Amino acid sequence: GAVVSQHPSRVICKSGTSVKIECRSLDFQATTMFWYRQFPKQSLMLMATSNEGSKATYEQGVEKDKFLINHASLTLSTLTVTSAHPEDSSFYICSARSPSGTGQYFGPGTRLTVT
Amino acid sequence: SQKIEQNSEALNIQEGKTATLTCNYTNYSPAYLQWYRQDPGRGPVFLLLIRENEKEKRKERLKVTFDTTLKQSLFHITASQPADSATYLCALDGYGGATNKLIFGTGTLLAVQP
Repeated sequence: GAVVSQHPSRVICKSGTSVKIECRSLDFQATTMFWYRQFPKQSLMLMATSNEGSKATYEQGVEKDKFLINHASLTLSTLTVTSAHPEDSSFYICSARSPSGTGQYFGPGTRLTVT
Repeated sequence: SQKIEQNSEALNIQEGKTATLTCNYTNYSPAYLQWYRQDPGRGPVFLLLIRENEKEKRKERLKVTFDTTLKQSLFHITASQPADSATYLCALDGYGGATNKLIFGTGTLLAVQP
């Protein structure tokens, strides 16, 4: 079945640096991908909708200059956390709409720790 | 404000019993409601989708009901097994009017005891 991968699975970075997370649809094309953030023992919160070939749509309260999203191809979306701070430490998950239109396929997530 | 609540943070049941999880929402009229399973440290896995004009959907040991009048969905796992232990999330589809834009509930951690 359709698979979504993320890389890296875990990353530790120093405060003030930037981190890039990749999300790939492995055997299907995804014109739209979604980025979520999940804090411990909390549910997923949608951060932004990534659209191939156009600008991402950010949810209210999410800083677009801090969380840069690029969807350069039909199989790849990237999320760059710029000038990371410890409060950005979280579990970041991407998803893509399934080719059948039923449900979404989620990536395995990326655990970001900012020290 | 829009709100999605799932019945409890944790649910413990004996193997072989039926687990029933609840998802209630307010101030929202979703076109679809979806259920996902999430294991620790992993992304959610899609289980079932039910449309607003459907009352019930089944898939193997899973059953979902959707009552748009009560604004509630029930998720049942029959003949539960320890392998069913996970967090189950309901999600409303159509957040902000956009199809496939999901808003998730708080999740219920199910523990099936052998």
